[in-house]
Amino acid sequence: GENVEQHPSTLSVQEGDSAVIKCTYSDSASNYFPWYKQELGKGPQLIIDIRSNVGEKKDQRIAVTLNKTAKHFSLHITETQPEDSAVYFCAAYNNNDMRFGAGTRLTVKP
Amino acid sequence: DSGVTQTPKHLITATGQRVTLRCSPRSGDLSVYWYQQSLDQGLQFLIQYYNGEERAKGNILERFSAQQFPDLHSELNLSSLELGDSALYFCASSPGGLAEAFFGQGTRLTVV
Repeated sequence: GENVEQHPSTLSVQEGDSAVIKCTYSDSASNYFPWYKQELGKGPQLIIDIRSNVGEKKDQRIAVTLNKTAKHFSLHITETQPEDSAVYFCAAYNNNDMRFGAGTRLTVKP
Repeated sequence: DSGVTQTPKHLITATGQRVTLRCSPRSGDLSVYWYQQSLDQGLQFLIQYYNGEERAKGNILERFSAQQFPDLHSELNLSSLELGDSALYFCASSPGGLAEAFFGQGTRLTVV
């Protein structure tokens, strides 16, 4: 089955700096890659996603890039704000099976 | 509000007991996923149902079972509970196919 690895496990940045979280996946048939943000005491919330026919997608301060050849994808957050502090999960989806990375705890220091 | 409803929000029970967690997916969503999240851990995929049928199975223990009913709600049954089963259990739903999944708020299970 699919195996998703996510790095780093923790990330601390200063407000206004950029943050980058990287994931790799094992199954080349995976074709949909969502990113979720989980705040304390809440369920994960979809923040951005990318499909396999696209290399990059941007939504305001958030962007995701996908390299299908290398089987990795990344989340980029620019101009970070304290409210961006949360745990972020990447996922890879293949044939109705969605597997998650282990998560990255992002802390944005004011 | 994601539109996915999980009940109960909190559950405290003793070892050896059996509990049932319930999930109502978003209106129109055919696919339901169950995940377990232990303290400071990632999301462990347990099982997925699509339109009433089991579609994929992850790291689900034999003591655990699930089903999806004709009205598309799903239940996760956990039996012979152990202390290590204490965790957050999330349900997510999607229309099926290549589409984003939306998560419920989770059920926090504490086994004492």
